[in-house]
Amino acid sequence: AQSVTQPDARVTVSEGASLQLRCKYSYFGTPYLFWYVQYPRQGLQLLLKYYPGDPVVQGVNGFEAEFSKSNSSFHLRKASVHWSDWAVYFCAVRYGSSGNKLIFGIGTLLSVKP
Amino acid sequence: EAAVTQSPRSKVAVTGGKVTLSCHQTNNHDYMYWYRQDTGHGLRLIHYSYVADSTEKGDIPDGYKASRPSQENFSLILELASLSQTAVYFCASSEEDRTYEQYFGPGTRLTVL
Repeated sequence: AQSVTQPDARVTVSEGASLQLRCKYSYFGTPYLFWYVQYPRQGLQLLLKYYPGDPVVQGVNGFEAEFSKSNSSFHLRKASVHWSDWAVYFCAVRYGSSGNKLIFGIGTLLSVKP
Repeated sequence: EAAVTQSPRSKVAVTGGKVTLSCHQTNNHDYMYWYRQDTGHGLRLIHYSYVADSTEKGDIPDGYKASRPSQENFSLILELASLSQTAVYFCASSEEDRTYEQYFGPGTRLTVL
């Protein structure tokens, strides 16, 4: 069955440091993958998306992610974290033969130290 | 600006009471969704709809009903609210295309006492 695993419930990095948030997926077939961000008391906003093609995708605010079929992964990266990146990050995979349904991971809370 | 709005933004309900959460979108999207968010579970799909006057069950539909009276509006109904339904509920919309992007509302925090 399809699933998304985010193994880190919380990640803390210093401002200006690099970041990697991990995501592993389980999906039979070609996955369509997403990273969403949730700022405090807000809804989810799309950061970036992967459709079959270039494995490295660029998103907003300097985020990028790399798709790996061999590792079943879609890790999120950023070269230099800013305090405003403090948020919860969700990885998701589309599933089902009809409809645009998504399965979400449990999310990773990113905390930024000054 | 296209948007998904939800009302109310927060609600306190009593066990056994009826609760209706409303969602309105101005994206002109065909698909609409209801999710609940719980700590440790991420977002889980309750119901969705791809056309007015029709709804489909998601992954956790038990205890919930949905109504889609028009393309713009999608409601989630808890006929007999229970303590276990305390959560944050999100509505989302998407186009019927192959981008699969969903656009989310700000959420409704529901507390059942």
